[in-house]
Amino acid sequence: GESVGLHLPTLSVQEGDNSIINCAYSNSASDYFIWYKQESGKGPQFIIDIRSNMDKRQGQRVTVLLNKTVKHLSLQIAATQPGDSAVYFCAENQGSARQLTFGSGTQLTVLP
Amino acid sequence: DGGITQSPKYLFRKEGQNVTLSCEQNLNHDAMYWYRQDPGQGLRLIYYSQIVNDFQKGDIAEGYSVSREKKESFPLTVTSAQKNPTAFYLCASSIQGATEAFFGQGTRLTVV
Repeated sequence: GESVGLHLPTLSVQEGDNSIINCAYSNSASDYFIWYKQESGKGPQFIIDIRSNMDKRQGQRVTVLLNKTVKHLSLQIAATQPGDSAVYFCAENQGSARQLTFGSGTQLTVLP
Repeated sequence: DGGITQSPKYLFRKEGQNVTLSCEQNLNHDAMYWYRQDPGQGLRLIYYSQIVNDFQKGDIAEGYSVSREKKESFPLTVTSAQKNPTAFYLCASSIQGATEAFFGQGTRLTVV
């Protein structure tokens, strides 16, 4: 089975509120994590990444938090906008050169 | 512009036919990947290639074949042996294995 999973398959937030999307991983050897955004009918787009030697990384309106103790990753989106509505995937590098392992995704819906 | 291009965007196949999905990148990336995505699910790895003339099976390689004769190109053939080929197929590339992957816009294959 997949080692990367998401706690919630769907998330609805009001426009302007902050969103938090969670991801659990099981492989303690993973040293690199990525969040992707996928709009309907399109390929995933890179949002932000973080290495295992960091706890937090900020981008434009997005923050990724990594808690290695509980193997948990989260994506925070500030002031969520309608254009943020999409499926969000986390992915991990399980310490090998093989490929990234993707979670099943969370559908984020921004309500007007 | 640099990027990764998949074609066609939509593809219809009759049962028993082989079809080939195209993936081309001009990012000078060594690694290329094919993923399959089913509705409401994450990405599952079909095949990957880290160098020209070499490729490896992913988690769901049965019924698929690939070639990597050129660095820029990584076509995927969906053979008649693939029992449930209707899905959204995504191609990706990266500088090296298990780092940030750039995705194409996908090909939606439907068996009719």
